[in-house]
Amino acid sequence: DADVTQTPRNRITKTGKRIMLECSQTKGHDRMYWYRQDPGLGLRLIYYSFDVKDINKGEISDGYSVSRQAQAKFSLSLESAIPNQTALYFCATSDVHRGRDTQYFGPGTRLTVL
Amino acid sequence: AQSVTQPDIHITVSEGASLELRCNYSYGATPYLFWYVQSPGQGLQLLLKYFSGDTLVQGIKGFEAEFKRSQSSFNLRKPSVHWSDAAEYFCAVVPGSSNTGKLIFGQGTTLQVKP
Repeated sequence: DADVTQTPRNRITKTGKRIMLECSQTKGHDRMYWYRQDPGLGLRLIYYSFDVKDINKGEISDGYSVSRQAQAKFSLSLESAIPNQTALYFCATSDVHRGRDTQYFGPGTRLTVL
Repeated sequence: AQSVTQPDIHITVSEGASLELRCNYSYGATPYLFWYVQSPGQGLQLLLKYFSGDTLVQGIKGFEAEFKRSQSSFNLRKPSVHWSDAAEYFCAVVPGSSNTGKLIFGQGTTLQVKP
């Protein structure tokens, strides 16, 4: 599996604060993703990037922005955090083999916005 | 609307019993299909995947899943559950056999294992 790391693992912040969640991977995958998980809703895609110059909005991008600093790094920012952004956030990378894409997930960041 | 449905939010089975977790999708073309497991406090681990070919797919930890086109289903099975299988299980699809990589997840099924 891809070695996907996320920092921080837990974060508590206040409404209106700017916060950045970071994701790094060491397997050389081109594609990276950010999801959020809410109870009863599964995971929903926030942003995805197929390479450093290709960034796309997902299902729920409002209130979020991303930066792909390098092939191995993909950061998610909340410019002004609000309580309904309290969730578990996952980064994923994917390996495309013969046109087929398999995603591997990091351990997650638990974010609480007070 | 296009969706992925896991009808069972919570399932409890006894250790050693068999398990089947249901997953249905509502996309016209055959999607790529995946099952992931999330243990408490952990990230998601890929159990198995289906792209094409043999409709019975073997995965890790003794799990298997069967793709049934006529039923738009991809149910996960295990013949004998172990206490360590207690976790949340997610079915996910990439619609239409596309290469977008955009996974659509079901709501998840929480598995509890009784001793």
